[in-house]
Amino acid sequence: ETGVTQTPRHLVMGMTNKKSLKCEQHLGHNAMYWYKQSAKKPLELMFVYSLEERVENNSVPSRFSPECPNSSHLFLHLHTLQPEDSALYLCASSQDQAGEAGELFFGEGSRLTVL
Amino acid sequence: GQNIDQPTEMTATEGAIVQINCTYQTSGFNGLFWYQQHAGEAPTFLSYNVLDGLEEKGRFSSFLSRSKGYSYLLLKELQMKDSASYLCAVRDSNYQLIWGAGTKLIIKP
Repeated sequence: ETGVTQTPRHLVMGMTNKKSLKCEQHLGHNAMYWYKQSAKKPLELMFVYSLEERVENNSVPSRFSPECPNSSHLFLHLHTLQPEDSALYLCASSQDQAGEAGELFFGEGSRLTVL
Repeated sequence: GQNIDQPTEMTATEGAIVQINCTYQTSGFNGLFWYQQHAGEAPTFLSYNVLDGLEEKGRFSSFLSRSKGYSYLLLKELQMKDSASYLCAVRDSNYQLIWGAGTKLIIKP
C-alpha cells in the first residue's frame, strides 16, 4: 500500500451536488492536511488535523467540511460548490504538526471539476 | 505579508546544470523545504535546510542564506525525468508552511 491514498482521483460535480473526498494514510502519522492546488498558484492550506483534532481552518468557505474520524482517515465533504472551486485537492500527512523536519507526505490528489 | 518568490518556468538541456532560486519574506524562519512534483503526481520531499550552507544529496543540492532570505536548488547532470515542478516552502515562526507557486522545469534533449 502506498503511503497516502486519495479517492477519487477525478471528480466532476454540479453546483448542487454533494460529494466527498477521502484520504487514507498508512504511515502512522499524527497530523493530516487538506491543501488546494490551483494552476500557477501556491498551495493553499485548508485544514489541519493533529491527533484527530482540527487545529487549523484558514477561512475556508463552509461549503467545504472536513472530517477526521481517526488518525488514518480524513474526508473533505463538498456541498454547493462554485466553479472557482475547481482545482486539485491534495491530502498530506506528517509525523507531527511541527516536528523538527516536518516533512509532508502527499497523496496524488483529487482533481475536482465543478460545472 | 509573507511571500515566496520563484521563477515560473525554466528550460535546461539534458546533461547540463540548472539552478532554481527562491527568495522569501516571512514572519520568522524555521526551515526551508524543496519538493518535486511531476505532472499529475503527488509532491515529494527533496530537501530541508535550516542552517546556512549547502546540503548535497546526489545530483541535487540545496543552499540557504538566512540573512539574504534566499535559497536555491541545484540540479546536476540533468535527466529527462527531472522535468517537473519544483516547490519552495518556508516554515514561519508559527511553524506554518508558506509555499511558492512552483517553478516548472522543462528539460530538452
